[in-house]
Amino acid sequence: ELKVEQNPLFLSMQEGKNYTIYCNYSTTSDRLYWYRQDPGKSLESLFVLLSNGAVKQEGRLMASLDTKARLSTLHITAAVHDLSATYFCAVELVFGNEKLTFGTGTRLTIIP
Amino acid sequence: GAVVSQHPSWVICKSGTSVKIECRSLDFQATTMFWYRQFPKQSLMLMATSNEGSKATYEQGVEKDKFLINHASLTLSTLTVTSAHPEDSSFYICSAAYTNTEAFFGQGTRLTVV
Repeated sequence: ELKVEQNPLFLSMQEGKNYTIYCNYSTTSDRLYWYRQDPGKSLESLFVLLSNGAVKQEGRLMASLDTKARLSTLHITAAVHDLSATYFCAVELVFGNEKLTFGTGTRLTIIP
Repeated sequence: GAVVSQHPSWVICKSGTSVKIECRSLDFQATTMFWYRQFPKQSLMLMATSNEGSKATYEQGVEKDKFLINHASLTLSTLTVTSAHPEDSSFYICSAAYTNTEAFFGQGTRLTVV
């Protein structure tokens, strides 16, 4: 059974600081997603990581994937209040079937 | 990205009644649709996978007679919560995908059973 764990579960940080959210998964997979969820809303797709060593960046967010370590990271640079949200990673166990197992989520609060 | 529309966005129903939630892919044909449930402050849990024209595949612990899924066309899947009870109150989210692509999520339906 695939397990996906995120660390930390809660994160409160000041504006302007950098931090990293970690996503570990238990079974080999080559496709990993990062999503953002605002309160009461559905998911917003942030990144799709398709191969070992993949790195993607959008604004203050950067995601990477190490399939050998079964680890993905979401790095936040110079955080701003607008980034406050819950962030989920999700792993696709079988390539191409689009079935996702979600991580526990990280609730990020950016303090002015 | 592609657009997936879910309806209604929220619904309140009385205990014992049934409620239907629709999930439509607006600009693509979805070979597969997924239904997730999310309780407050928790992650998303997959309930079932549906493919057009075939029976849905339910995850372990999900009652197929209680959560009826119909995927009658390549653009529409429905989830019917039958004989709803307060413990079924949750946020239900669908996603849709075509072969070997990223799945796109609907806006979610908040169900409250009173």
